Formats: sequence, structure tokens, C-alpha cells
Amino acid sequence: EDKVVQSPLSLVVHEGDTVTLNCSYEVTNFRSLLWYKQEKKAPTFLFMLTSSGIEKKSGRLSSILDKKELFSILNITATQTGDSAVYLCAVVPHQGGSEKLVFGKGTKLTVNP
Amino acid sequence: NAGVTQTPKFQVLKTGQSMTLQCAQDMNHNSMYWYRQDPGMGLRLIYYSASEGTTDKGEVPNGYNVSRLNKREFSLRLESAAPSQTSVYFCASSELVNQPQHFGDGTRLSIL
Repeated sequence: EDKVVQSPLSLVVHEGDTVTLNCSYEVTNFRSLLWYKQEKKAPTFLFMLTSSGIEKKSGRLSSILDKKELFSILNITATQTGDSAVYLCAVVPHQGGSEKLVFGKGTKLTVNP
Repeated sequence: NAGVTQTPKFQVLKTGQSMTLQCAQDMNHNSMYWYRQDPGMGLRLIYYSASEGTTDKGEVPNGYNVSRLNKREFSLRLESAAPSQTSVYFCASSELVNQPQHFGDGTRLSIL
């Protein structure tokens, strides 16, 4: 059974700190890994990773994938209170046209002023 | 640009009542999805539609039915609501099944 495990489940930091969120997975025929940010309502897409070792970056957020060790990390530098959210990791297994995302339970990040 | 629109935003039902949740997207996406999100459980796929005219079961399909009415619209029906179906329901769409999904704002459903 395909599985995605995120750690930690929750994290509280102060503004300006750097955080690293972890996502490990077990899937048959890996296709891609996605990160989402969920504030009060809809999850919003951050990154899609398909190749090992290639960092994706957007402002203070960056992410990298290790397909050998089956994990990804999401880094946030110089955190701000607006970064407070649940960060979701999802994996797309390759299933011959019927690929469906498998989500982890999320990491709840709280950034205090 | 609305993206993915879900209606209603909130609903309270009694056990045994039926209900249809509506979802529409204006991004000309081929694939659409219904998820439920429960505390401590993450997002779980109920049903999805890879393209217009097709639907398929996800991880937790029991108690639900779906209709892909056209390319824009994908509805989720609860025929006989049960308290275990109390949840937040999200609709999502993507250009293709393996592409990033865009989510609606969710429907908070309570079944008493």
C-alpha cells in the first residue's frame, strides 16, 4: 500500500527561524512528489519534484527530492507569521494513466512573532 | 478568475438525508477530484474523474456517488448521510491526472 509520512506533525518557531519539514514515502512506481500549503481553506500548490537532487526554489521556500532514500524536504528560511499553515506532501504513483495523489497527514507550522 | 468553485460552503444534515455537493472549474482542466479531510487523517480521495465521461473510485468511496456532468462540473452525492461522513470536502482539478491540482475552498458538512 502506498504511504506518505510527514514529520514533525507540528512545529512552533519564532519569526526569523529556519525550518525543515520532512516527507518520506513508500510507493510502487514513483512518478512525482508535490508540496502544498494549506492555510484556512484550500491547499495551494508550492512545488512538484520529479528528479533527485534538483532544488526547486520560490523566494524563501525551497525543496529537494532524494529518490534513493525516498524522501523530500521543504525548507523555509527567515520565517514570517504568514508562513503559519499546514504543509502537505503528496506523492503521485505511476499507475498507467490512473495516477492518484497519496497525501501525508501534514505538518502544522506555527510562526510566532 | 474563479478557479474551482464549490457549493455550498456549509451544510448541516440529519442522518439519512441526501445531499449533492457541487463543484465547477473554469480552467478547462480534464481531471477532477473529490477529497475529504478529517482531523489527523489528511486528505483522502473519494472519487475522481480522469477526463469527461469517466469516473473511478479513490481510497474511500463507500457511501458516495459522483457525476461528471460535463468538462466543467463534477458533483458528489451522499444518498443516505451518516455521522461518519461529517467532514470537510474538497474538490480539485488538474490539467491531467499527474499534474498539480487546484483546490476549491471546501464544503464543511455536519451530519447529526
